[in-house]
Parts: sequence; structure tokens; C-alpha cells
Amino acid sequence: GAGVSQSPRYKVAKRGQDVALRCDPISGHVSLFWYQQALGQGPEFLTYFQNEAQLDKSGLPSDRFFAERPEGSVSTLKIQRTQQEDSAVYLCASSLPDGVSTGELFFGEGSRLTVL
Amino acid sequence: AQKVTQAQTEISVVEKEDVTLDCVYETRDTTYYLFWYKQPPSGELVFLIRRNSFDEQNEISGRYSWNFQKSTSSFNFTITASQVVDSAVYFCALSEAAYSGAGSYQLTFGKGTKLSVIP
Repeated sequence: GAGVSQSPRYKVAKRGQDVALRCDPISGHVSLFWYQQALGQGPEFLTYFQNEAQLDKSGLPSDRFFAERPEGSVSTLKIQRTQQEDSAVYLCASSLPDGVSTGELFFGEGSRLTVL
Repeated sequence: AQKVTQAQTEISVVEKEDVTLDCVYETRDTTYYLFWYKQPPSGELVFLIRRNSFDEQNEISGRYSWNFQKSTSSFNFTITASQVVDSAVYFCALSEAAYSGAGSYQLTFGKGTKLSVIP
């Protein structure tokens, strides 16, 4: 498809399990963002990639969270030893460089993680 | 630190009514960008508009209009003649700076306003 694709759409994990969430951005989009959206809240920034370089990871809540984008396209957000407070929707977004875009971020539908 | 406040948690209107969604922001930067996104039940955030801090002209796009007032740090969104398909959660967001190179934006979102349009 032409949009940002995320998988899985839904993930249920037992507390302590590791999970991996995948994001396939729009082809040619240089920038990729991960956001976390708790129930009833607005999305909160986690991390940002420009191509394969992770330029900002200031929003990652703990060292249990790790993101990578090794070839500058697909990205994976990994959460180790999941906790109940990690339950949220994880949104991925991509965009073109500013010079050719309106600053619009294109979001995927998200991966809803439930930790029991 | 930047902050976005959407004081209205939920709004219900009857179809064809006009509705205004409020957004108030805080930032210390003189250069910043403001956004509105729509989040339908499917969950995908849909971009509606971006305005920069130097452009206070109001904008109209079909039934949508935006009122940006720096003096009150507000960026309100009005839907005219609302329709059932407008039912969604609407987020206002702020970005203080553009990253060099890719020029993309780290957004600070408000908590959102859930709009229900009743037939």
C-alpha cells in the first residue's frame, strides 16, 4: 500500500515478555518517528530517525525501549521485559524532508500493545 | 518547555451545527509550527493543517477554518455545518524547531477533543 504500515495491529503480552513492533514507512520518506499514545491521551514522542541514524531518542521512557532502522527504511521498536504501564498504542510516522513537504507527518494505524 | 492545552475533552453537536475546538499553546520559541490532526476510530492520525508562527492569517478549507491568534496563544479550529463523518478525536500539536537536514518535526500534542456529531 501507499501508506505507513505497522504490524502487528494488536499484541497481547504477559508481563516480562519482550515484544517487537514493526513500521514500514512510505517509500522515499527520510524521516521516521515513533510515538506512544496511552488511552485517552495525545501521542507522545519517543524517538526519531533520519535515514538509518537515530538522531533523537529522548522520549524513550526507559532502557527497556530500543528502536532501530538499520537500512534506513523499515524500523523496529523493541520493548524488553514489558510492564503493564507499557500498554498503549505505538504510532509510527514518516515524512519527506521539509523542503518538499508541508511538514506533514504520515501516521500508520498503530500497534496496540496490551500487557497483562 | 512547550505545552498544548485542549480544554474541551468531549463535545457533542447535532448535525449541521457549527463547532469550534479550542487550542492554547505555550512555547518560549519565536519560531514554531502549529498543527491539527484528526484521529478517526480506525486510529490513524490524519493531517489537517500546519501553520507557522509568522503567519497569522486565518485559513479556510471547505467547511474547516482555523483562527490563529499569537496574542492569546490560541489556534482554534471551526467546523461549519458539521457532518457525522466529522466524528473523531481532534488533536492540536506544536513543534518548536525543525531538525536540520531532513527538516522534520517533533510534535507535542494536546490531549485531544472527542467530537461526536449526532444525526
